[in-house]
Amino acid sequence: DAGITQSPRHKVTETGTPVTLRCHQTENHRYMYWYRQDPGHGLRLIHYSYGVKDTDKGEVSDGYSVSRSKTEDFLLTLESATSSQTSVYFCAIKGAYEQYFGPGTRLTVT
Amino acid sequence: KQEVTQIPAALSVPEGENLVLNCSFTDSAIYNLQWFRQDPGKGLTSLLLIQSSQREQTSGRLNASLDKSSGRSTLYIAASQPGDSATYLCAGGGGSNYKLTFGKGTLLTVNP
Repeated sequence: DAGITQSPRHKVTETGTPVTLRCHQTENHRYMYWYRQDPGHGLRLIHYSYGVKDTDKGEVSDGYSVSRSKTEDFLLTLESATSSQTSVYFCAIKGAYEQYFGPGTRLTVT
Repeated sequence: KQEVTQIPAALSVPEGENLVLNCSFTDSAIYNLQWFRQDPGKGLTSLLLIQSSQREQTSGRLNASLDKSSGRSTLYIAASQPGDSATYLCAGGGGSNYKLTFGKGTLLTVNP
């Protein structure tokens, strides 16, 4: 357990609404990541952060934005949710060498 | 661009059998190779990490190897148990910022 929490754990929202997912860590790690997991695609990187206010795009960043104003929090925002963004979202941190994952957020866009 | 492939996609074995899960990657400039376990509806649990300078790592009944020249990693599970049933994921780390590229996983079922 690397002290990672995600909120909310489950969310149902309607198409076109904004949604923000939060990842919180307690161990002051520099690197944080957002992934999505979908059947048939596995886990894919959305965005990542390498420090406060330092973020960059991953493989599937379209439709998503992120912010990191404090070391412990990394926010993922869906500006206008679409049905294709229905997924399980995982946050991860990089420890000394390994990445450790949070429990995930199951998001359903109706 | 790194691509990671896991074969087989699913595997069913009787309890007590030794088994090998395979992972291949296309870019040999890999920083590390990490194996995870995922139970249904749950998050990922890190099992083993092999650094690019290492050949293998062991933890209990698990042994993971890394061969960069052939682009392969294997996860060996000794004396499998029903509690080992889960999806096993491998991920290659590389480039700046330590990003991971995941395979799609192997669903392992160990039958009592």
